[in-house]
Order: sequence, then structure tokens, then C-alpha cells
Amino acid sequence: EAGVTQFPSHSVIEKGQTVTLRCDPISGHDNLYWYRRVMGKEIKFLLHFVKESKQDESGMPNNRFLAERTGGTYSTLKVQPAELEDSGVYFCASSPMDRGPAGELFFGEGSRLTVL
Amino acid sequence: AQKVTQAQTEISVVEKEDVTLDCVYETRDTTYYLFWYKQPPSGELVFLIRRNSFDEQNEISGRYSWNFQKSTSSFNFTITASQVVDSAVYFCALSGPGTSYGKLTFGQGTILTVHP
Repeated sequence: EAGVTQFPSHSVIEKGQTVTLRCDPISGHDNLYWYRRVMGKEIKFLLHFVKESKQDESGMPNNRFLAERTGGTYSTLKVQPAELEDSGVYFCASSPMDRGPAGELFFGEGSRLTVL
Repeated sequence: AQKVTQAQTEISVVEKEDVTLDCVYETRDTTYYLFWYKQPPSGELVFLIRRNSFDEQNEISGRYSWNFQKSTSSFNFTITASQVVDSAVYFCALSGPGTSYGKLTFGQGTILTVHP
């Protein structure tokens, strides 16, 4: 069974440009989460999808970030326009619905974003 | 608000030594879950353990053991007879009721280096 895959693994862009990160969760996992770790800080929650619906987007930093999960499968996280403080590692995680209220999350390897 | 503190930023030990990673948490919830995740060099976070707030029994899994003490709000992780393969970043995390138990609050992580 394939794990959570994220693309690209590393992206370097100029301030003001746009970047789109993609996450493919484990097949059949209805829950999909985005997290972010900026340099030297904690990993922080961004948002949670249940299938194609945004369940909780309280962690999204501002309206430059847009997450979608069309069809309830893969998800994209777009940053437009990117700022220096957006640099960090963006993690995607997924979990099935039938693991109870606190099932383990399966994380991808992360997408490292560097904004110059 | 929830908070997780991992006071040890980095720990360095020699193979076969025992090592304990500390985790202290803050929450107003009476029902919550505590987690430990391991981040090897490949980058993905790997689930190690989940504990709910009503289960204070310590747990042992091979060389790993966890000590949960509600009285001190701590959930410490001990590796016995450490090995080089244990070198990784270890994260303690907390989740509570609400929209999703998958919304984790992470500590800053402890970098563990095990030298041969």
C-alpha cells in the first residue's frame, strides 16, 4: 500500500510568485490534514478535510493560502503570492474514518518551500 | 489553549545508553490524547504511540517505554539500550475534542543523536 505522497519535495521560488503543493493521501482515507513547520518552530496545524469538505481551516495563516480537495482524493495547497515567512516544510497527513476519534495520522515526507 | 513543551532541544548519547525524552503538556480538556511521533532523516513523521487521558498505565514496546503522569502533565518517552537507528527527531503531540482529534498540537521536537 502506498503511503502519503507529496509533491514537490522541494520548491524554491521568488517572493511574489505562486507555488502549488500537492498531497496524495493513502487510498480510502477520508481525513486529510495539512501542517506546516517553519524554521525552528513547532509543527502547526493548517486545515482538515473530510472527503472534499473543509472541516476545520482555523490554522490557515491568511488568504494567500488556498487549499482544495476536489473529488475527495488528492489535495492541493496554493500559496499566492508567496512571502519570505512562508518558507518551511509543509506536511500532509491522512487517516481513515473508521479508526475512532483519535486514530494515528499517516504523514508524508513533506514539501520544503523556500521563498527567496 | 493547548501547549506542548519539549524542553530538550538536542540530546546526544552513545549507543546502548538509555535516554529519556521529556514532554510536558497543558490543556483544559478532560478528554485528550497524547502522541509521540518519530521523524527519521527521510522526513515523514512516523506514529509511535497514542495515549488517552483516562489511561495512565505505562506502556512498553520493545526498547521503547512511555510514562504518562497526569499529576505532572507529563508524557515522557524512554529508549532503553539506544541504537544508531534511533537517531531522529522526536515529537510529542496533544489533541483534544472539537472538530477533530487529528488536529494535533506539537512540541518543538527533540533531536536525538545516537553515536556508535
